[in-house]
Amino acid sequence: GESVGLHLPTLSVQEGDNSIINCAYSNSASDYFIWYKQESGKGPQFIIDIRSNMDKRQGQRVTVLLNKTVKHLSLQIAATQPGDSAVYFCAERPGYSTLTFGKGTMLLVSP
Amino acid sequence: DAGVIQSPRHEVTEMGQEVTLRCKPISGHDYLFWYRQTMMRGLELLIYFNNNVPIDDSGMPEDRFSAKMPNASFSTLKIQPSEPRDSAVYFCASRATDEKLFFGSGTQLSVL
Repeated sequence: GESVGLHLPTLSVQEGDNSIINCAYSNSASDYFIWYKQESGKGPQFIIDIRSNMDKRQGQRVTVLLNKTVKHLSLQIAATQPGDSAVYFCAERPGYSTLTFGKGTMLLVSP
Repeated sequence: DAGVIQSPRHEVTEMGQEVTLRCKPISGHDYLFWYRQTMMRGLELLIYFNNNVPIDDSGMPEDRFSAKMPNASFSTLKIQPSEPRDSAVYFCASRATDEKLFFGSGTQLSVL
């Protein structure tokens, strides 16, 4: 889930496991959602996005699920690899406004 | 395309000095955003431009911060005078008419 304060929530998994990173968004008017991955020392990198008229979207090894009823977004990573270790951010966009980012979840993948 | 290019990658300065961060967006992108990232606050939007025009600067912390976009391929974020609490990573991002933001590698600013 998203963080409060200084400490990022951390998900630790073994290589080859499936990972699920959760995000609770705040604005029921949000109609677009996006996941970013940020590796140490780099800028956030686009992973996958979804619009509010969908509840699931799949990419390569990643799936995003959207539950508008409870304002919940999740990112599933299949067969997690050490290179997936990073901080993952969800972002929401209400209407024509700009993206609002969550504080992120750290994913640690051990070999 | 080389992506969004920011300079410098690292900046160390003393309190009171002027700091200028630079950004070259992806060619053809007509939106440009400046973000600040800290552990406490995460990614905060400072200002964004559309077709070189500032649209929303409500995230700019105070008058010490200013941003310009003189043309479609260049933007600056200036802090004058800088303070230790300005220490953060500053990201520039750009996008076309769809929503996908592309970020630069950031400028790590340390104000001593």
